[in-house]
Amino acid sequence: NAGVTQTPKFRILKIGQSMTLQCTQDMNHNYMYWYRQDPGMGLKLIYYSVGAGITDKGEVPNGYNVSRSTTEDFPLRLELAAPSQTSVYFCASIWGAGAYEQYFGPGTRLTVT
Amino acid sequence: TQLLEQSPQFLSIQEGENLTVYCNSSSVFSSLQWYRQEPGEGPVLLVTVVTGGEVKKLKRLTFQFGDARKDSSLHITAAQPGDTGLYLCAACTTSGTYKYIFGTGTRLKVLA
Repeated sequence: NAGVTQTPKFRILKIGQSMTLQCTQDMNHNYMYWYRQDPGMGLKLIYYSVGAGITDKGEVPNGYNVSRSTTEDFPLRLELAAPSQTSVYFCASIWGAGAYEQYFGPGTRLTVT
Repeated sequence: TQLLEQSPQFLSIQEGENLTVYCNSSSVFSSLQWYRQEPGEGPVLLVTVVTGGEVKKLKRLTFQFGDARKDSSLHITAAQPGDTGLYLCAACTTSGTYKYIFGTGTRLKVLA
Protein backbone atom coordinates (compact mmCIF):
# COMPACT_ATOMS: atom_id res chain seq x y z
CA ASN A 1 0.00 0.00 0.00
CA ALA A 2 1.20 3.51 -0.81
CA GLY A 3 -0.77 4.95 2.14
CA VAL A 4 -1.64 8.63 1.71
CA THR A 5 -0.15 10.35 -1.31
CA GLN A 6 -0.20 14.07 -2.09
CA THR A 7 0.65 16.01 -5.21
CA PRO A 8 2.36 18.29 -5.94
CA LYS A 9 5.16 18.40 -3.35
CA PHE A 10 5.96 22.04 -4.00
CA ARG A 11 4.13 24.85 -5.76
CA ILE A 12 4.52 28.59 -6.18
CA LEU A 13 1.38 30.56 -7.03
CA LYS A 14 0.86 34.18 -7.88
CA ILE A 15 -1.77 36.15 -5.96
CA GLY A 16 -5.21 35.49 -7.43
CA GLN A 17 -4.35 32.19 -9.11
CA SER A 18 -6.19 28.98 -8.32
CA MET A 19 -5.03 25.41 -7.87
CA THR A 20 -6.07 22.01 -6.61
CA LEU A 21 -4.04 19.99 -4.14
CA GLN A 22 -4.53 16.28 -4.70
CA CYS A 23 -4.83 13.67 -1.95
CA THR A 24 -5.34 9.94 -2.45
CA GLN A 25 -5.37 7.07 0.02
CA ASP A 26 -5.43 3.37 -0.81
CA MET A 27 -6.32 2.03 2.65
CA ASN A 28 -10.10 2.20 2.18
CA HIS A 29 -10.32 4.76 4.99
CA ASN A 30 -13.63 6.52 5.48
CA TYR A 31 -12.43 9.70 7.21
CA MET A 32 -10.13 12.16 5.47
CA TYR A 33 -8.75 15.50 6.62
CA TRP A 34 -6.96 18.54 5.27
CA TYR A 35 -4.68 20.52 7.57
CA ARG A 36 -2.36 23.47 7.12
CA GLN A 37 0.80 23.98 9.12
CA ASP A 38 2.44 27.37 9.34
CA PRO A 39 6.18 27.51 10.16
CA GLY A 40 6.99 26.09 13.60
CA MET A 41 3.33 25.67 14.50
CA GLY A 42 0.82 22.92 15.02
CA LEU A 43 -1.75 21.85 12.45
CA LYS A 44 -5.06 23.58 11.82
CA LEU A 45 -8.00 21.68 10.36
CA ILE A 46 -9.32 23.13 7.10
CA TYR A 47 -11.96 20.61 6.00
CA TYR A 48 -12.77 17.00 6.70
CA SER A 49 -14.93 14.24 5.27
CA VAL A 50 -16.54 11.22 6.93
CA GLY A 51 -17.28 9.47 3.67
CA ALA A 52 -17.90 9.92 -0.02
CA GLY A 53 -20.26 12.81 -0.64
CA ILE A 54 -19.97 14.19 2.91
CA THR A 55 -17.72 17.12 3.83
CA ASP A 56 -17.64 19.64 6.64
CA LYS A 57 -15.69 22.71 7.70
CA GLY A 58 -12.84 22.71 10.18
CA GLU A 59 -11.24 25.64 12.01
CA VAL A 60 -9.93 27.59 9.00
CA PRO A 61 -12.08 26.86 5.90
CA ASN A 62 -12.18 30.35 4.34
CA GLY A 63 -10.56 30.49 0.91
CA TYR A 64 -10.74 26.73 0.36
CA ASN A 65 -13.16 24.21 -1.05
CA VAL A 66 -13.25 20.41 -1.05
CA SER A 67 -15.13 17.56 -2.64
CA ARG A 68 -15.26 13.84 -1.92
CA SER A 69 -16.69 11.95 -4.89
CA THR A 70 -14.86 8.69 -4.08
CA THR A 71 -13.54 7.02 -0.93
CA GLU A 72 -9.97 7.33 -2.19
CA ASP A 73 -9.72 10.97 -3.24
CA PHE A 74 -10.13 14.21 -1.31
CA PRO A 75 -8.89 17.21 -3.34
CA LEU A 76 -8.49 20.67 -1.81
CA ARG A 77 -9.21 23.64 -4.04
CA LEU A 78 -7.71 27.09 -3.48
CA GLU A 79 -9.57 29.89 -5.22
CA LEU A 80 -7.98 33.33 -5.58
CA ALA A 81 -4.76 32.49 -3.75
CA ALA A 82 -3.55 34.99 -1.12
CA PRO A 83 -0.17 35.33 0.66
CA SER A 84 -1.89 34.23 3.89
CA GLN A 85 -2.34 30.81 2.30
CA THR A 86 1.41 30.24 2.14
CA SER A 87 1.82 27.12 4.25
CA VAL A 88 2.46 23.39 4.22
CA TYR A 89 -0.68 21.39 3.57
CA PHE A 90 -1.16 17.88 4.93
CA CYS A 91 -3.81 15.36 4.06
CA ALA A 92 -4.62 12.60 6.56
CA SER A 93 -7.01 9.68 6.88
CA ILE A 94 -8.37 7.28 9.48
CA TRP A 95 -10.35 4.11 8.97
CA GLY A 96 -13.45 5.26 10.82
CA ALA A 97 -15.13 5.76 14.16
CA GLY A 98 -13.06 4.37 17.01
CA ALA A 99 -9.82 4.32 15.00
CA TYR A 100 -7.50 6.95 16.41
CA GLU A 101 -4.34 6.91 14.36
CA GLN A 102 -4.28 9.46 11.57
CA TYR A 103 -2.10 8.52 8.62
CA PHE A 104 -0.52 11.57 7.06
CA GLY A 105 0.70 12.27 3.58
CA PRO A 106 4.12 13.86 2.95
CA GLY A 107 2.67 17.35 2.54
CA THR A 108 2.51 20.03 -0.14
CA ARG A 109 4.58 23.18 0.40
CA LEU A 110 2.75 26.13 -1.13
CA THR A 111 4.08 29.65 -1.54
CA VAL A 112 1.84 32.49 -2.72
CA THR A 113 3.66 35.60 -3.91
CA THR B 1 -13.13 27.36 20.76
CA GLN B 2 -11.20 24.35 22.00
CA LEU B 3 -7.47 24.93 22.38
CA LEU B 4 -4.51 22.73 23.22
CA GLU B 5 -1.59 24.59 24.74
CA GLN B 6 1.81 22.93 24.75
CA SER B 7 4.77 23.88 26.90
CA PRO B 8 7.55 24.51 26.53
CA GLN B 9 7.50 25.81 22.97
CA PHE B 10 11.22 25.14 22.47
CA LEU B 11 13.61 22.88 24.33
CA SER B 12 17.33 22.38 23.74
CA ILE B 13 19.03 19.84 25.98
CA GLN B 14 22.15 17.70 26.17
CA GLU B 15 22.11 14.01 25.35
CA GLY B 16 21.29 11.97 28.45
CA GLU B 17 19.07 14.58 30.11
CA ASN B 18 15.41 13.99 31.01
CA LEU B 19 12.57 16.25 29.88
CA THR B 20 8.80 16.63 30.15
CA VAL B 21 6.46 18.22 27.64
CA TYR B 22 2.96 19.29 28.65
CA CYS B 23 -0.31 19.53 26.75
CA ASN B 24 -3.13 21.40 28.49
CA SER B 25 -6.70 22.39 27.76
CA SER B 26 -9.81 23.59 29.55
CA SER B 27 -11.88 21.11 27.53
CA VAL B 28 -12.49 17.41 28.11
CA PHE B 29 -11.47 15.06 25.32
CA SER B 30 -12.44 11.50 24.47
CA SER B 31 -8.85 10.66 23.49
CA LEU B 32 -5.49 12.32 23.13
CA GLN B 33 -2.60 11.48 20.85
CA TRP B 34 1.06 12.37 20.68
CA TYR B 35 2.83 12.68 17.33
CA ARG B 36 6.43 13.35 16.35
CA GLN B 37 7.19 15.23 13.16
CA GLU B 38 10.53 15.50 11.42
CA PRO B 39 11.39 18.25 8.92
CA GLY B 40 9.74 17.80 5.53
CA GLU B 41 7.51 14.97 6.68
CA GLY B 42 4.03 14.45 8.05
CA PRO B 43 3.42 13.70 11.74
CA VAL B 44 3.78 10.10 12.88
CA LEU B 45 1.72 8.72 15.74
CA LEU B 46 3.58 7.80 18.95
CA VAL B 47 0.69 6.88 21.23
CA THR B 48 -3.03 7.28 21.92
CA VAL B 49 -4.42 7.59 25.45
CA VAL B 50 -8.10 7.16 26.11
CA THR B 51 -8.74 6.59 29.82
CA GLY B 52 -8.30 9.30 32.47
CA GLY B 53 -5.15 8.60 34.51
CA GLU B 54 -3.78 6.23 31.87
CA VAL B 55 -0.01 5.82 31.62
CA LYS B 56 1.67 4.32 28.56
CA LYS B 57 5.33 3.63 27.97
CA LEU B 58 7.15 3.44 24.65
CA LYS B 59 10.79 2.57 25.34
CA ARG B 60 12.20 5.76 26.94
CA LEU B 61 8.99 7.74 26.44
CA THR B 62 6.25 7.83 29.10
CA PHE B 63 2.85 9.32 28.32
CA GLN B 64 0.19 10.22 30.85
CA PHE B 65 -3.44 11.31 30.39
CA GLY B 66 -4.83 13.50 33.16
CA ASP B 67 -7.52 12.11 35.44
CA ALA B 68 -10.05 14.63 34.09
CA ARG B 69 -8.98 14.00 30.45
CA LYS B 70 -8.06 17.66 29.97
CA ASP B 71 -4.28 17.39 29.92
CA SER B 72 -1.40 15.09 29.12
CA SER B 73 2.36 14.88 29.52
CA LEU B 74 5.21 13.27 27.62
CA HIS B 75 8.35 12.41 29.57
CA ILE B 76 11.57 11.37 27.83
CA THR B 77 14.26 9.65 29.86
CA ALA B 78 17.91 9.92 28.81
CA ALA B 79 17.19 11.87 25.63
CA GLN B 80 19.15 10.99 22.50
CA PRO B 81 19.85 13.04 19.35
CA GLY B 82 17.38 10.79 17.51
CA ASP B 83 14.59 12.22 19.71
CA THR B 84 15.03 15.61 18.02
CA GLY B 85 11.84 16.79 16.32
CA LEU B 86 8.53 18.59 16.70
CA TYR B 87 6.24 16.94 19.24
CA LEU B 88 2.53 17.53 18.78
CA CYS B 89 -0.40 16.57 20.93
CA ALA B 90 -3.78 16.13 19.27
CA ALA B 91 -7.20 15.57 20.77
CA CYS B 92 -10.40 14.16 19.43
CA THR B 93 -13.41 16.27 20.26
CA THR B 94 -16.22 14.67 22.20
CA SER B 95 -18.86 15.61 19.67
CA GLY B 96 -18.67 12.28 17.89
CA THR B 97 -17.64 13.76 14.57
CA TYR B 98 -13.97 12.69 14.88
CA LYS B 99 -12.59 16.16 14.38
CA TYR B 100 -9.09 16.60 15.73
CA ILE B 101 -7.38 19.66 17.10
CA PHE B 102 -3.61 19.91 17.39
CA GLY B 103 -1.49 21.54 20.03
CA THR B 104 0.87 24.41 19.35
CA GLY B 105 3.88 22.05 19.27
CA THR B 106 7.13 21.61 21.20
CA ARG B 107 10.33 21.75 19.18
CA LEU B 108 12.97 19.55 20.85
CA LYS B 109 16.66 19.56 20.00
CA VAL B 110 18.95 17.05 21.68
CA LEU B 111 22.63 17.88 21.41
CA ALA B 112 25.24 15.14 21.26
